[in-house]
Amino acid sequence: QKEVEQNSGPLSVPEGAIASLNCTYSDRGSQSFFWYRQYSGKSPELIMSIYSNGDKEDGRFTAQLNKASQYVSLLIRDSQPSDSATYLCAVFQGAQKLVFGQGTRLTINP
Amino acid sequence: DARVTQTPRHKVTEMGQEVTMRCQPILGHNTVFWYRQTMMQGLELLAYFRNRAPLDDSGMPKDRFSAEMPDATLATLKIQPSEPRDSAVYFCASGEGGFYGYTFGSGTRLTVV
Repeated sequence: QKEVEQNSGPLSVPEGAIASLNCTYSDRGSQSFFWYRQYSGKSPELIMSIYSNGDKEDGRFTAQLNKASQYVSLLIRDSQPSDSATYLCAVFQGAQKLVFGQGTRLTINP
Repeated sequence: DARVTQTPRHKVTEMGQEVTMRCQPILGHNTVFWYRQTMMQGLELLAYFRNRAPLDDSGMPKDRFSAEMPDATLATLKIQPSEPRDSAVYFCASGEGGFYGYTFGSGTRLTVV
């Protein structure tokens, strides 16, 4: 079992719709959770962080965490073509290391 | 804006040569990670440091890779000898600890021919 798992996609969503990205993790000692966005040929950029169960909203982005189910998700509302990128889920584990999933490639269709 | 600086941005080298990549973390950040990214494997954690002390380098091929942090402003990743399978983008990321996000550098794109 991989430490952090994501559906690799590609995920295709029409402009203006909600994009839903999911991630599961294996280490129950994990403390904090992050979503990064990576455009082709660029470095990962932090867009959301979450530490407590529930939802955290920032603009069009909402991160959701369920520690009992070891599940993290990212919702993007009113999707824009500029949201087309690879989204990486990252988990800060109990061993003090930051582990990434494979990433989900998202395409927003105008 | 504070940023993580990586050098060189691009490196092409012949198989068997030594390669050194450098990273200047953001001032005040006490944690540094080294990652390798390929299409097949995604972002692989190679090594990480806290307060300059190595915490884990189990992700690195020990016989050819080494990572050091000689001072708080410099982290290095060395490959000797390099092999074609080492071709990848190598990223450095720095941060203040587990509850804060980590900032990535622009990466070093390494090609070993």
